[in-house]
Amino acid sequence: AQSVTQLGSHVSVSEGALVLLRCNYSSSVPPYLFWYVQYPNQGLQLLLKYTSAATLVKGINGFEAEFKKSETSFHLTKPSAHMSDAAEYFCAVRRTNFGNEKLTFGTGTRLTIIP
Amino acid sequence: GAVVSQHPSWVICKSGTSVKIECRSLDFQATTMFWYRQFPKQSLMLMATSNEGSKATYEQGVEKDKFLINHASLTLSTLTVTSAHPEDSSFYICSARGVTEAFFGQGTRLTVV
Repeated sequence: AQSVTQLGSHVSVSEGALVLLRCNYSSSVPPYLFWYVQYPNQGLQLLLKYTSAATLVKGINGFEAEFKKSETSFHLTKPSAHMSDAAEYFCAVRRTNFGNEKLTFGTGTRLTIIP
Repeated sequence: GAVVSQHPSWVICKSGTSVKIECRSLDFQATTMFWYRQFPKQSLMLMATSNEGSKATYEQGVEKDKFLINHASLTLSTLTVTSAHPEDSSFYICSARGVTEAFFGQGTRLTVV
């Protein structure tokens, strides 16, 4: 079975500060990992995904994540927070790189940006 | 990226009535669609996997007779909440399978009064 754990249900950072959202995974096979963002009353938008091609993955809106097998982590970072980054962020894992495989989501982290 | 449209975006219904939610893939064909449920401030829980032309596969604990799923075409899947009750109030999100990733609809907020 696969799972992801997101540490911290709420994270607050000042505008312009570093954003760090934590995600640790558990998987019996090499995982495929994803970060999604959800704005209020909206669906999910893919930020980035890890598919074993490169350990440092760059996504949209200036976000990136690094896959660290030794730490079973896939933390999401952004060098400088913007007010528009305020949203809910979900880490997710999948066994394969096929779109018909179900995603298992973490519990989410709500990011608040302090002006 | 690919677009998935979900309709309605919100609905209020009376207890005991049924509500249908549509999920359409606008610019690609989706043989597989997923239906999720999200409670306030919680994660997404997969309810069922919908395959075009066949019966949906429900996750453990999800009542298939209450949450009817129909995937009659490659671009449309529907979720019908039958005999809705207040405890069915939630945010329902669909996603449609692409080749390597799933694309999500904007969600439907259902309130049963």
